This record gives sequence, structure tokens and C-alpha cells, in this order.
Amino acid sequence: QVQLVESGGGVVQPGKSLTISCEASGFKFTTYGMHWVRQAPGGGLEWVALISHDGRNVLYADSVKGRFTISTDNSRNRLYLQMNSLRAEDTAVYYCVRDRGTYQMLYYFGEWGQGTLVRVSS
Amino acid sequence: SYGVTQPPSISVAPGETATMTCAGNNIGAKNVHWYQQKSGRAPVLAIFYDTDRPSGIPERFSGSNSGNTATLTISRVEAGDEAEYYCQVWDSSSGHVIFGGGTNLTVL
Repeated sequence: QVQLVESGGGVVQPGKSLTISCEASGFKFTTYGMHWVRQAPGGGLEWVALISHDGRNVLYADSVKGRFTISTDNSRNRLYLQMNSLRAEDTAVYYCVRDRGTYQMLYYFGEWGQGTLVRVSS
Repeated sequence: SYGVTQPPSISVAPGETATMTCAGNNIGAKNVHWYQQKSGRAPVLAIFYDTDRPSGIPERFSGSNSGNTATLTISRVEAGDEAEYYCQVWDSSSGHVIFGGGTNLTVL
């Protein structure tokens, strides 16, 4: 079955960097686009970034553009989110999410990971 | 950029019908998707492309979309339906995925 397992969350100081990752299994990773979606404590869902199945199309929310980078390592079936210049408002659970489309983005979400908590605090 | 608005909360008695709205400018021209998120859990897709139900979602869940409002309807509400419900669209003009703020469904 499809599994998405995030890791790498933790406490990080404002202005510092952190990279979180997601290990995918149970499906052919190279045929699906992937997203990161975050949820601040007690808050709603916020889309963060997407990457197409072939890595050619990458998009970011305005709130993270220029600071965050989404990428994949197809040899390891992994999705990454490199987060630079972190701010207190980046504190959230970060979910790794699979797009519902195969070989094309459909821009809605099927399977979700369990999330990894990133807390930005001094 | 495009935005969608959901009422923060609704309360429904068991067995009654819950109606949750998602308002946006000409949202009827977009595809609307709905997610259910129970406390402490990851969201689950409940309705996609306005009206379609994924396997495993009860027939009591239905959706519609027209004009400036999309609607998620849950018939014969059960205690297990208590959750936060989010609508979501794709805004092609900005290249952004947009979520509504969520509606908290309380079953009385």
C-alpha cells in the first residue's frame, strides 16, 4: 500500500535552515507529482510547494518562495523540502502529499503522510 | 490572488443533514475538492471534482458546485463525522493550490 513517511522535523532557531524529507513506498514514485502542505498549531491547511513527476515543474506559495526549495531523489524514492531563513510563522506540521494524477498534475491530493513537526524558536 | 471562504463552524444533531459551504468568485468554474480531518490525524479526501466520492467514503457524503458557492453535504450525520472539513481549489492564474480556512463540524 502507499506509504509516505516524513522525517527531519525538530526545533530550529529563527534564521537557520532545516531540510525535511519524505520516504515514499508502495507506488512508482517517478510517475506522481508531489506536494508539501503545512498546518500551523491549531490552524488550517496551507499548501507550500509542488514538484511534477519529472521535476520540470516546481511551484511555491508566496509565503515561502525564495526561502524553500522542493526536490526529489528518484533513486531513493524521496521528497525533500529545504527550508532556509526560517521564521516563527513557519512553525507547523509539514505533510508530504501525493498528487492524484499520474504523469500529469491534477492539483488535488490523495495520500498524505503522518506529518513532521517543525518548530522555529529561539 | 484567488481566495475561498468557509464558515468556521456548524453544529448538527445526529441523523440530521450537515451543509458546509465554500464561497469564491465564480467558484463554479473551478474544480472543488473536499478533505475531512479528524483530530490529530492527517486529512482524508472526501469529495473530488465537485461531486465524486473516493472509495471508502460513505454515500451520505455529497457535493455540488455552482455560481459562487460549492457545498459539501453530509446526510444522516453520525458522531464519527465530527471533524474539520476543508475545501480546496487550484488557481491556474497564480499557480497556487488554495485551501479554505476549514469548517469545524460538531455533532451534538
